[in-house]
Amino acid sequence: NAGVTQTPKFRILKIGQSMTLQCTQDMNHNYMYWYRQDPGMGLKLIYYSVGAGITDKGEVPNGYNVSRSTTEDFPLRLELAAPSQTSVYFCASSPGTEAFFGQGTRLTVV
Amino acid sequence: GENVEQHPSTLSVQEGDSAVIKCTYSDSASNYFPWYKQELGKGPQLIIDIRSNVGEKKDQRIAVTLNKTAKHFSLHITETQPEDSAVYFCAASKGGGYQKVTFGTGTKLQVIP
Repeated sequence: NAGVTQTPKFRILKIGQSMTLQCTQDMNHNYMYWYRQDPGMGLKLIYYSVGAGITDKGEVPNGYNVSRSTTEDFPLRLELAAPSQTSVYFCASSPGTEAFFGQGTRLTVV
Repeated sequence: GENVEQHPSTLSVQEGDSAVIKCTYSDSASNYFPWYKQELGKGPQLIIDIRSNVGEKKDQRIAVTLNKTAKHFSLHITETQPEDSAVYFCAASKGGGYQKVTFGTGTKLQVIP
């Protein structure tokens, strides 16, 4: 099994541009999550989903949007990129017990 | 909301020595405490977890202890090896499983050969 797959691995955006970070999992997990990880900090929850069609805000949702049309996919959308969104983004899925993380997307906004 | 504090932020030990990482949490309703290991350039990976009905759990060279009264829990790694070098995160959540966990800020462990 591939587990949790994130694309792209790296991206540089200009201020004001938009992009979608892709996340897909093949474990049929109901729960999916998006985190951002800033240097020297823990993971901060951006958005999460408890199943297809259901999403909710985490600690730091401003500037981001998500959708969950299928169990497998949970894309994260940045509409107007800002330098404060420079970070490493992790997607995770869970059956309700442990979480499985993707390899991360390193995003730089210049 | 929940607040998780983790100490130390960096830890260097000689190979073969033990390493201890400590975390405290604020919400007495939290009942699930996972520990994650993050190697360079990779996503975090669960290494051990403990639920609030248990005081200690061991898995080979790693163990976790939980003191619900004091609201703190610790990760113990014995006989450290160079491959233990990584960033370790503690976390806490309610609901008995991984739902909305709150992470600590991480401990960078360096094992010196």
